[in-house]
Amino acid sequence: KAGVTQTPRYLIKTRGQQVTLSCSPISGHRSVSWYQQTPGQGLQFLFEYFSETQRNKGNFPGRFSGRQFSNSRSEMNVSTLELGDSALYLCASSLRGNVEAFFGQGTRLTVV
Amino acid sequence: GDSVTQMEGPVTLSEEAFLTINCTYTATGYPSLFWYVQYPGEGLQLLLKATKADDKGSNKGFEATYRKETTSFHLEKGSVQVSDSAVYFCALNRELTALIFGKGTTLSVSS
Repeated sequence: KAGVTQTPRYLIKTRGQQVTLSCSPISGHRSVSWYQQTPGQGLQFLFEYFSETQRNKGNFPGRFSGRQFSNSRSEMNVSTLELGDSALYLCASSLRGNVEAFFGQGTRLTVV
Repeated sequence: GDSVTQMEGPVTLSEEAFLTINCTYTATGYPSLFWYVQYPGEGLQLLLKATKADDKGSNKGFEATYRKETTSFHLEKGSVQVSDSAVYFCALNRELTALIFGKGTTLSVSS
C-alpha cells in the first residue's frame, strides 16, 4: 500500500513569507504528527492531529499551525518565516497514536 | 520529563564488523522503544521496536532488547554492510504521546 506522501519535497521561501506543507497519511491511518528536524535541535515534535482534532502540541510558537481534513490529510502552516525555520519537516502517520509511526520523506524548507 | 540518550557518533566501521549503538532512556511507566534509520536525503524508516520489558526487536540483521533494569535499548548487528551507512535514532513513546528521539548516531561503513 502507498506510504506517507509529503509535498512539496523542497521549498525556498523568503523571510516574512508564509508556507503551507501537505501530508497524505497511509490509507486508514487517522493520526498525523509533524516533526521538525534541524542539525542543532534534532527531531522536535510540533503537533499531532487525530480525526481532525489537535490532540498533542509541542513547544513551538503560534506561527506554527496545522489542520487535518476529513480524509485524514494534514497541512501545516508557518507564518512570518524566520531564518531559523529552515529545516526538514517530517510527517508521520499511525493508526491511532504513534504506537507505530510511519514517516514520509519530508519537506526541506529553506528560508533566505 | 521523558528523554533518550544515544552514544555520540560518528561511528566508523569496516564491512563485516560488529556494531553496537548504545541507547538509554528516562521515562515514567512502560514506554515503547524504537530504532529508526535515516538514509541521506530521506525520511525516517522504522527499523525495529519493542513494547515491553525483555522484548527483543529484530529486522534486517539488527537487534535490540528492551532492558527495564538498565533502562537501555542498545542496537546491535553482527556484520555490517556498506549499505547500512545511515543515521540511527533511538526513540520512545507512550501510547497517545509524541515520539521522543535521541540526537542520532551517524554510522559510516567502508569496504
